[in-house]
Amino acid sequence: DAKTTQPPSMDCAEGRAANLPCNHSTISGNEYVYWYRQIHSQGPQYIIHGLKNNETNEMASLIITEDRKSSTLILPHATLRDTAVYYCIVRVNTGGFKTIFGAGTRLFVKA
Amino acid sequence: GAVVSQHPSWVICKSGTSVKIECRSLDFQATTMFWYRQFPKQSLMLMATSNEGSKATYEQGVEKDKFLINHASLTLSTLTVTSAHPEDSSFYICSARAGRNSGANVLTFGAGSRLTVL
Repeated sequence: DAKTTQPPSMDCAEGRAANLPCNHSTISGNEYVYWYRQIHSQGPQYIIHGLKNNETNEMASLIITEDRKSSTLILPHATLRDTAVYYCIVRVNTGGFKTIFGAGTRLFVKA
Repeated sequence: GAVVSQHPSWVICKSGTSVKIECRSLDFQATTMFWYRQFPKQSLMLMATSNEGSKATYEQGVEKDKFLINHASLTLSTLTVTSAHPEDSSFYICSARAGRNSGANVLTFGAGSRLTVL
């Protein structure tokens, strides 16, 4: 699986958009970008995933650059409950393959 | 949505005893489950891949005789920490892939089990 690089921490004001970047310059053509988050002392939670096109769901939007070497997770209106560690993972989209977590980005949403 | 249940959520045991953690997929069948451990302020580390009806596949550096994994049914995998010692104290998390449709390979995680070995 391709390696990802994320900033170790970020701050965001409550109500503002949180933009979390992820670099994955060695991504292969058949690898997807997945985002999970982990709130303190809980199991990780799936947020969103994509291959080439931008994706949006009820939780977030995923913007993938045209060359697919980087992406940005956008939480449009961050709340205090969005404070968590966010993990960007790149992997193939077939079952049975391992999901390896990097260090992630610790997002602090401040009132 | 898919739900993975872990039990117990926390456990305290004496050094030298064994502890079993259960991971259940409540509303779907999981032929493959994954076990992770997480130390404070660190990321999740994959320990092993649990395969229904066959032996688990362990990551490098993880002792298979220390961390026994059994995946006897499509909805249950267990992790037994044998002869636990204080250094085994950690947060153990299981996950499973739910759904074969849409091509998604989304993992659903349990809430985790915090083990403290005295």
